[in-house]
Amino acid sequence: ELKVEQNPLFLSMQEGKNYTIYCNYSTTSDRLYWYRQDPGKSLESLFVLLSNGAVKQEGRLMASLDTKARLSTLHITAAVHDLSATYFCAVDMYYGNKLVFGAGTILRVKS
Amino acid sequence: DAEITQSPRHKITETGRQVTLACHQTWNHNNMFWYRQDLGHGLRLIHYSYGVQDTNKGEVSDGYSVSRSNTEDLPLTLESAASSQTSVYFCASRGGYAGDEQFFGPGTRLTVL
Repeated sequence: ELKVEQNPLFLSMQEGKNYTIYCNYSTTSDRLYWYRQDPGKSLESLFVLLSNGAVKQEGRLMASLDTKARLSTLHITAAVHDLSATYFCAVDMYYGNKLVFGAGTILRVKS
Repeated sequence: DAEITQSPRHKITETGRQVTLACHQTWNHNNMFWYRQDLGHGLRLIHYSYGVQDTNKGEVSDGYSVSRSNTEDLPLTLESAASSQTSVYFCASRGGYAGDEQFFGPGTRLTVL
């Protein structure tokens, strides 16, 4: 059974600081997704990582995938208040067309 | 533009009543999913469908049912609503190719009194 673990589950950051959210998963997969959710809103797709070594960047966020380590990271550079949200990673099951989600990381950026 | 919609967006009902939440997508996706989101539990899969007439149970399917009579719609029915089913419900859809993105609807906030 595929399990996806995110850490930390809660992250309070100062503006301007860097930090990384980690997403570990338990079985083979080379397809990983990152989502953002604002309070009271739906999930919005951030990144789709489809191969070992894949790296995607959008603004102050950069996501990477290491399929050998079964690890994806979401790196935040010089955090700003607007990045406050909950971030989810999700892994595509190798067999079966459905995603398994991590528990989410609540990010709060303090000014 | 293609989209995925849910209705109603908010609903309050009483214990024991049957409730149906609608999900409609115009992506022409074969794969559709229902999740519930509760504090401390993240997203949990309720039911999913890989195409017309196909339905499958997820990890928290007790007390819920779905039917898929066309590509666009996957309604979720709570047969006899319970207070434990108070939650936010999200519908999602994705294409059938490996690596296709999954898109989420806006959510339905359900309160069972």
